[in-house]
Amino acid sequence: GAGVSQSPSNKVTEKGKDVELRCDPISGHTALYWYRQSLGQGLEFLIYFQGNSAPDKSGLPSDRFSAERTGGSVSTLTIQRTQQEDSAVYLCASSLATNYRTDTQYFGPGTRLTVL
Amino acid sequence: AQSVTQLDSQVPVFEEAPVELRCNYSSSVSVYLFWYVQYPNQGLQLLLKYLSGSTLVKSINGFEAEFNKSQTSFHLRKPSVHISDTAEYFCAVFNNAGNMLTFGGGTRLMVKP
Repeated sequence: GAGVSQSPSNKVTEKGKDVELRCDPISGHTALYWYRQSLGQGLEFLIYFQGNSAPDKSGLPSDRFSAERTGGSVSTLTIQRTQQEDSAVYLCASSLATNYRTDTQYFGPGTRLTVL
Repeated sequence: AQSVTQLDSQVPVFEEAPVELRCNYSSSVSVYLFWYVQYPNQGLQLLLKYLSGSTLVKSINGFEAEFNKSQTSFHLRKPSVHISDTAEYFCAVFNNAGNMLTFGGGTRLMVKP
């Protein structure tokens, strides 16, 4: 079956512009996660959705970052007024969430964001 | 707060040699432990996980990891590596007090012929 998909695969933007990153989870997966993978920082948790609600937004690095999920499926991560330090690969993962602590997370291929 | 330390950022090894990728974590509560692998130009995928029960867990491609509570470690081992094992390996921890999977910095395993 289809895995987690993310779009775009690559995004180059100018500093100060807004960007939207999209994630399509595996059908039937109720939990969805966003991570950021950058050089020198490893993999960093950003936000987690259970259905359409986000119980934990503590990982979002600043108020320029926001995320939403509609219909318990697609999620978008929005970065406003992008900065060069936002350059990274943004990864999305989903899981069945029968128990979100122990579930296997299935990762998408990521969106590589470059802020010039 | 929990943290995960992977002591080696790169591990070069010859084909058919044994390998150990080290992972230590800090947590004051019980944990669930994971190893994820990222092959070149591919997404992260689960390699193996420890949830409860036997402290030795194995993957289908010959890797194994042992949960050592006293040493707060979850080292990954393989007795004989293949070229195809070249990848980046991430150790991750989920504890009962948190809502997030915390990843280590990753170890790049480079298998040479």
